[in-house]
Amino acid sequence: QQQVKQSPQSLIVQKGGISIINCAYENTAFDYFPWYQQFPGKGPALLIAIRPDVSEKKEGRFTISFNKSAKQFSLHIMDSQPGDSATYFCAASASGTYKYIFGTGTRLKVLA
Amino acid sequence: DAGITQSPRHKVTETGTPVTLRCHQTENHRYMYWYRQDPGHGLRLIHYSYGVKDTDKGEVSDGYSVSRSKTEDFLLTLESATSSQTSVYFCAITSTGARTDTQYFGPGTRLTVL
Repeated sequence: QQQVKQSPQSLIVQKGGISIINCAYENTAFDYFPWYQQFPGKGPALLIAIRPDVSEKKEGRFTISFNKSAKQFSLHIMDSQPGDSATYFCAASASGTYKYIFGTGTRLKVLA
Repeated sequence: DAGITQSPRHKVTETGTPVTLRCHQTENHRYMYWYRQDPGHGLRLIHYSYGVKDTDKGEVSDGYSVSRSKTEDFLLTLESATSSQTSVYFCAITSTGARTDTQYFGPGTRLTVL
């Protein structure tokens, strides 16, 4: 019940295309869902995050879609660029626990 | 980067030797964490701390111990390193806010156990 399942494991997208990464969770106590971006040799960096009181959050080319009833959330990268090539992690947290559960990561490659 | 540094950044050691990794933060955050990152497993929590001398186990704590004698430093020790502990280790902190508690990560330490 503590798991966050992330798919796909890897993704190849053409420049200008849409990249979509999906995550699913079981624990209904989770109420904060961040996405992290990690470049090779670097630590993960917070990209965008959402709380379940909204169904979508957009920041520039990055959008989180959240489906509370299905217990799923996804990251959409519009107009994908080669510079977006990185590993993306979803995570989930419950208020007051100060602990995150991470997905297994998606390696995205955007072809020029 | 939330003022997080890790040392060393790279280390090669031999099976059976003790290893200590250091995490240092400059912004007085209460919560600190040690994760390991392995292909196919994502980020897994080893230990975390919620204050000086207050620590608890994560999901993969076997073979690891931690100490936090000062707010700014969180040490991870492998008492007797094994090849299965070859990994990239990340320290993180939680920045607590009015609405959101956000984790920020250090640059990582790549450990190889031969």
